Amino acid sequence: LAKTTQPISMDSYEGQEVNITCSHNNIATNDYITWYQQFPSQGPRFIIQGYKTKVTNEVASLFIPADRKSSTLSLPRVSLSDTAVYYCLVGNAGKSTFGDGTTLTVKP
Amino acid sequence: ETGVTQTPRHLVMGMTNKKSLKCEQHLGHNAMYWYKQSAKKPLELMFVYSLEERVENNSVPSRFSPECPNSSHLFLHLHTLQPEDSALYLCASSPSTGQGYEQYFGPGTRLTVT
Repeated sequence: LAKTTQPISMDSYEGQEVNITCSHNNIATNDYITWYQQFPSQGPRFIIQGYKTKVTNEVASLFIPADRKSSTLSLPRVSLSDTAVYYCLVGNAGKSTFGDGTTLTVKP
Repeated sequence: ETGVTQTPRHLVMGMTNKKSLKCEQHLGHNAMYWYKQSAKKPLELMFVYSLEERVENNSVPSRFSPECPNSSHLFLHLHTLQPEDSALYLCASSPSTGQGYEQYFGPGTRLTVT
């Protein structure tokens, strides 16, 4: 299983763009990269998934360099409600491991 | 969201009790999962079912017994639990256990063992 490394915590202010980077040096050829958001006492919620290059949806963008050894989740113009833990997972749904995640705190 | 539901939402049980957690998914998925999340810790994958067959059991103590009677329902039977088993138990589902599929999580059951 590919091990992931993320910053433990990040602070930001409302309206700013936030970029959270995840390292996954031993990613396998067929592994996908998936990001989840979790609020306290709730189940994680899917944000975005990608395999290579760039993926964008209505809430975030995911940038994956050519070597795929890292990925960056980009949240445009964050608000207070984006304060949560963000997890990067590598692998398939049945074998992915949730790491410690990144606690993002958005301040007014 | 009501794609994955869990009952009960809160449960307090003594160490000698037997209880069951229930999960139901309304998404037509073929894979279901149980996770444990202790306070301020990452999620720990406990069990994985694919088409009602258990495909993953991550060294979970036998006092936790999963059951998947069909692809829409998943149970976690609990007996003789320890206080350290107090945690948020999360159920999830996905179309498959293969690559490229995201998981959909339920709201969780907050379990307290006294």
